[in-house]
Amino acid sequence: DAGITQSPRHKVTETGTPVTLRCHQTENHRYMYWYRQDPGHGLRLIHYSYGVKDTDKGEVSDGYSVSRSKTEDFLLTLESATSSQTSVYFCAISEAGADGTQYFGPGTRLLVL
Amino acid sequence: GDSVTQMEGPVTLSEEAFLTINCTYTATGYPSLFWYVQYPGEGLQLLLKATKADDKGSNKGFEATYRKETTSFHLEKGSVQVSDSAVYFCALSGGGSNYKLTFGKGTLLTVNP
Repeated sequence: DAGITQSPRHKVTETGTPVTLRCHQTENHRYMYWYRQDPGHGLRLIHYSYGVKDTDKGEVSDGYSVSRSKTEDFLLTLESATSSQTSVYFCAISEAGADGTQYFGPGTRLLVL
Repeated sequence: GDSVTQMEGPVTLSEEAFLTINCTYTATGYPSLFWYVQYPGEGLQLLLKATKADDKGSNKGFEATYRKETTSFHLEKGSVQVSDSAVYFCALSGGGSNYKLTFGKGTLLTVNP
Protein backbone atom coordinates (compact mmCIF):
# COMPACT_ATOMS: atom_id res chain seq x y z
CA ASP A 1 0.00 0.00 0.00
CA ALA A 2 1.13 3.53 -0.79
CA GLY A 3 2.27 5.41 2.30
CA ILE A 4 -0.44 8.03 2.62
CA THR A 5 -1.95 9.19 5.88
CA GLN A 6 -4.63 11.74 6.55
CA SER A 7 -5.34 13.58 9.76
CA PRO A 8 -7.66 13.90 11.46
CA ARG A 9 -9.71 10.93 10.35
CA HIS A 10 -12.90 12.38 11.80
CA LYS A 11 -13.79 15.92 12.72
CA VAL A 12 -16.88 17.74 13.89
CA THR A 13 -16.81 21.52 13.74
CA GLU A 14 -19.16 24.48 13.75
CA THR A 15 -20.13 26.77 10.93
CA GLY A 16 -17.74 29.69 10.54
CA THR A 17 -14.68 28.06 12.08
CA PRO A 18 -11.49 27.41 10.12
CA VAL A 19 -10.50 23.79 9.56
CA THR A 20 -7.24 22.33 8.27
CA LEU A 21 -6.86 18.79 7.00
CA ARG A 22 -3.46 17.25 6.52
CA CYS A 23 -2.20 14.73 3.99
CA HIS A 24 1.20 13.15 4.50
CA GLN A 25 3.01 10.85 2.06
CA THR A 26 6.17 8.82 2.37
CA GLU A 27 6.45 7.96 -1.36
CA ASN A 28 8.15 11.18 -2.54
CA HIS A 29 5.56 11.53 -5.32
CA ARG A 30 5.46 14.88 -7.06
CA TYR A 31 1.68 15.24 -7.49
CA MET A 32 -0.85 15.49 -4.68
CA TYR A 33 -4.59 16.00 -4.87
CA TRP A 34 -7.55 16.77 -2.64
CA TYR A 35 -10.98 15.38 -3.50
CA ARG A 36 -14.35 15.45 -1.82
CA GLN A 37 -16.82 12.60 -2.05
CA ASP A 38 -20.53 13.19 -1.80
CA PRO A 39 -23.49 10.92 -2.59
CA GLY A 40 -24.55 11.26 -6.21
CA HIS A 41 -21.42 13.17 -7.20
CA GLY A 42 -18.64 10.63 -7.04
CA LEU A 43 -15.26 12.24 -6.41
CA ARG A 44 -14.66 15.85 -7.28
CA LEU A 45 -11.26 17.51 -7.41
CA ILE A 46 -10.80 20.48 -5.08
CA HIS A 47 -7.14 21.45 -5.55
CA TYR A 48 -3.97 19.76 -6.63
CA SER A 49 -0.24 20.32 -6.38
CA TYR A 50 2.46 19.60 -8.92
CA GLY A 51 5.39 20.43 -6.67
CA VAL A 52 6.44 22.31 -3.55
CA LYS A 53 4.58 25.64 -3.50
CA ASP A 54 2.99 24.82 -6.88
CA THR A 55 -0.78 24.39 -6.66
CA ASP A 56 -3.81 24.86 -8.85
CA LYS A 57 -7.59 24.79 -8.59
CA GLY A 58 -9.85 21.88 -9.36
CA GLU A 59 -13.54 21.89 -10.22
CA VAL A 60 -14.89 22.70 -6.73
CA SER A 61 -12.27 25.00 -5.20
CA ASP A 62 -14.50 27.79 -3.84
CA GLY A 63 -14.16 28.07 -0.06
CA TYR A 64 -10.97 26.02 0.05
CA SER A 65 -7.28 26.84 0.02
CA VAL A 66 -4.20 24.62 0.00
CA SER A 67 -0.54 24.80 0.81
CA ARG A 68 2.45 22.61 0.15
CA SER A 69 5.67 23.68 1.83
CA LYS A 70 7.27 20.23 1.76
CA THR A 71 7.09 17.39 -0.74
CA GLU A 72 5.46 15.09 1.80
CA ASP A 73 2.70 17.35 3.14
CA PHE A 74 -0.35 18.86 1.46
CA LEU A 75 -2.75 20.87 3.61
CA LEU A 76 -6.36 21.67 2.81
CA THR A 77 -7.93 24.61 4.65
CA LEU A 78 -11.57 25.53 4.89
CA GLU A 79 -11.30 29.22 5.71
CA SER A 80 -14.78 29.45 7.23
CA ALA A 81 -16.54 26.11 7.25
CA THR A 82 -20.12 25.85 5.99
CA SER A 83 -22.61 22.99 6.22
CA SER A 84 -22.24 22.41 2.46
CA GLN A 85 -18.64 21.37 3.14
CA THR A 86 -19.77 18.39 5.19
CA SER A 87 -18.21 15.57 3.22
CA VAL A 88 -15.56 12.90 3.10
CA TYR A 89 -12.22 14.27 1.95
CA PHE A 90 -9.62 12.15 0.22
CA CYS A 91 -6.02 12.89 -0.55
CA ALA A 92 -4.26 11.19 -3.44
CA ILE A 93 -0.74 11.09 -4.84
CA SER A 94 0.72 10.39 -8.25
CA GLU A 95 4.18 9.97 -9.62
CA ALA A 96 5.45 12.22 -12.40
CA GLY A 97 5.99 10.45 -15.70
CA ALA A 98 3.65 7.59 -14.79
CA ASP A 99 0.39 6.67 -16.50
CA GLY A 100 -1.83 8.81 -14.29
CA THR A 101 -2.37 6.21 -11.58
CA GLN A 102 -3.32 7.86 -8.30
CA TYR A 103 -3.08 6.29 -4.85
CA PHE A 104 -5.55 7.33 -2.21
CA GLY A 105 -5.42 7.96 1.50
CA PRO A 106 -8.00 6.58 3.95
CA GLY A 107 -10.11 9.75 4.02
CA THR A 108 -11.27 12.33 6.55
CA ARG A 109 -14.92 12.50 7.49
CA LEU A 110 -15.88 16.11 8.23
CA LEU A 111 -19.18 17.21 9.74
CA VAL A 112 -19.95 20.93 9.87
CA LEU A 113 -22.81 21.77 12.22
CA GLY B 1 -13.78 18.21 -21.57
CA ASP B 2 -13.21 14.69 -20.35
CA SER B 3 -16.11 12.74 -18.89
CA VAL B 4 -16.96 9.25 -17.65
CA THR B 5 -20.39 7.66 -17.58
CA GLN B 6 -20.98 4.44 -15.68
CA MET B 7 -23.95 2.37 -14.56
CA GLU B 8 -25.21 4.02 -11.42
CA GLY B 9 -26.81 0.99 -9.84
CA PRO B 10 -27.22 -0.14 -7.20
CA VAL B 11 -26.48 -3.61 -8.51
CA THR B 12 -27.52 -6.60 -6.41
CA LEU B 13 -26.34 -10.09 -7.32
CA SER B 14 -26.26 -13.53 -5.79
CA GLU B 15 -22.93 -15.15 -5.04
CA GLU B 16 -21.32 -16.78 -8.10
CA ALA B 17 -23.30 -14.62 -10.54
CA PHE B 18 -21.67 -12.88 -13.51
CA LEU B 19 -20.95 -9.18 -13.10
CA THR B 20 -20.82 -6.44 -15.70
CA ILE B 21 -20.55 -2.74 -14.85
CA ASN B 22 -20.65 -0.56 -17.93
CA CYS B 23 -18.34 2.42 -18.35
CA THR B 24 -18.04 4.73 -21.35
CA TYR B 25 -15.88 7.80 -21.68
CA THR B 26 -15.32 10.98 -23.65
CA ALA B 27 -11.79 12.26 -23.98
CA THR B 28 -9.44 13.91 -26.40
CA GLY B 29 -6.25 12.10 -27.20
CA TYR B 30 -5.41 8.72 -25.71
CA PRO B 31 -6.39 8.47 -22.07
CA SER B 32 -5.42 5.84 -19.54
CA LEU B 33 -8.44 4.07 -18.02
CA PHE B 34 -8.91 2.79 -14.48
CA TRP B 35 -11.26 0.94 -12.21
CA TYR B 36 -11.06 1.74 -8.51
CA VAL B 37 -12.87 -0.06 -5.70
CA GLN B 38 -14.00 1.40 -2.39
CA TYR B 39 -14.91 -0.91 0.47
CA PRO B 40 -17.14 0.48 3.25
CA GLY B 41 -15.36 3.08 5.36
CA GLU B 42 -12.17 2.96 3.32
CA GLY B 43 -10.37 4.94 0.64
CA LEU B 44 -10.22 4.04 -3.03
CA GLN B 45 -7.96 1.21 -4.14
CA LEU B 46 -6.75 0.71 -7.67
CA LEU B 47 -8.40 -2.44 -9.02
CA LEU B 48 -7.04 -2.50 -12.56
CA LYS B 49 -5.97 -0.24 -15.39
CA ALA B 50 -5.23 -0.10 -19.11
CA THR B 51 -3.09 2.49 -20.81
CA LYS B 52 -3.72 1.92 -24.52
CA ALA B 53 -6.37 0.61 -26.88
CA ASP B 54 -7.06 -3.15 -26.76
CA ASP B 55 -5.16 -3.54 -23.49
CA LYS B 56 -6.87 -5.74 -20.93
CA GLY B 57 -6.46 -4.95 -17.27
CA SER B 58 -7.07 -7.73 -14.76
CA ASN B 59 -6.87 -8.29 -11.04
CA LYS B 60 -8.60 -10.51 -8.44
CA GLY B 61 -10.74 -12.13 -11.16
CA PHE B 62 -11.93 -8.77 -12.52
CA GLU B 63 -11.21 -7.79 -16.11
CA ALA B 64 -11.77 -4.78 -18.36
CA THR B 65 -10.71 -4.16 -21.95
CA TYR B 66 -9.89 -0.72 -23.35
CA ARG B 67 -12.13 -0.39 -26.43
CA LYS B 68 -11.31 2.75 -28.36
CA GLU B 69 -13.86 2.12 -31.11
CA THR B 70 -16.72 2.08 -28.60
CA THR B 71 -14.99 4.36 -26.02
CA SER B 72 -15.74 1.80 -23.34
CA PHE B 73 -14.02 0.07 -20.43
CA HIS B 74 -16.60 -2.30 -18.98
CA LEU B 75 -15.76 -4.16 -15.77
CA GLU B 76 -16.51 -7.90 -15.66
CA LYS B 77 -16.13 -10.78 -13.25
CA GLY B 78 -17.24 -14.31 -13.91
CA SER B 79 -18.26 -15.29 -10.40
CA VAL B 80 -18.73 -12.68 -7.69
CA GLN B 81 -18.29 -13.27 -3.98
CA VAL B 82 -19.85 -11.60 -0.97
CA SER B 83 -16.47 -9.96 -0.33
CA ASP B 84 -16.76 -8.10 -3.67
CA SER B 85 -19.52 -5.93 -2.22
CA ALA B 86 -18.23 -2.38 -2.62
CA VAL B 87 -18.52 0.77 -4.71
CA TYR B 88 -16.73 0.65 -8.07
CA PHE B 89 -15.48 3.76 -9.86
CA CYS B 90 -14.44 4.06 -13.47
CA ALA B 91 -11.92 6.84 -14.17
CA LEU B 92 -9.73 8.22 -16.90
CA SER B 93 -6.52 10.18 -17.00
CA GLY B 94 -6.26 12.42 -20.00
CA GLY B 95 -2.54 12.83 -19.58
CA GLY B 96 -1.16 16.30 -19.89
CA SER B 97 1.05 17.84 -17.26
CA ASN B 98 -1.04 17.36 -14.15
CA TYR B 99 -2.26 13.75 -14.37
CA LYS B 100 -5.75 14.61 -13.20
CA LEU B 101 -8.34 11.85 -12.98
CA THR B 102 -11.95 12.20 -14.09
CA PHE B 103 -14.30 9.84 -12.24
CA GLY B 104 -17.66 8.33 -12.92
CA LYS B 105 -20.21 8.60 -10.12
CA GLY B 106 -19.66 5.09 -8.85
CA THR B 107 -21.68 1.88 -8.82
CA LEU B 108 -22.69 0.21 -5.58
CA LEU B 109 -22.47 -3.58 -5.81
CA THR B 110 -24.07 -5.80 -3.20
CA VAL B 111 -23.51 -9.54 -3.37
CA ASN B 112 -25.82 -11.74 -1.33
CA PRO B 113 -24.90 -15.24 -0.14
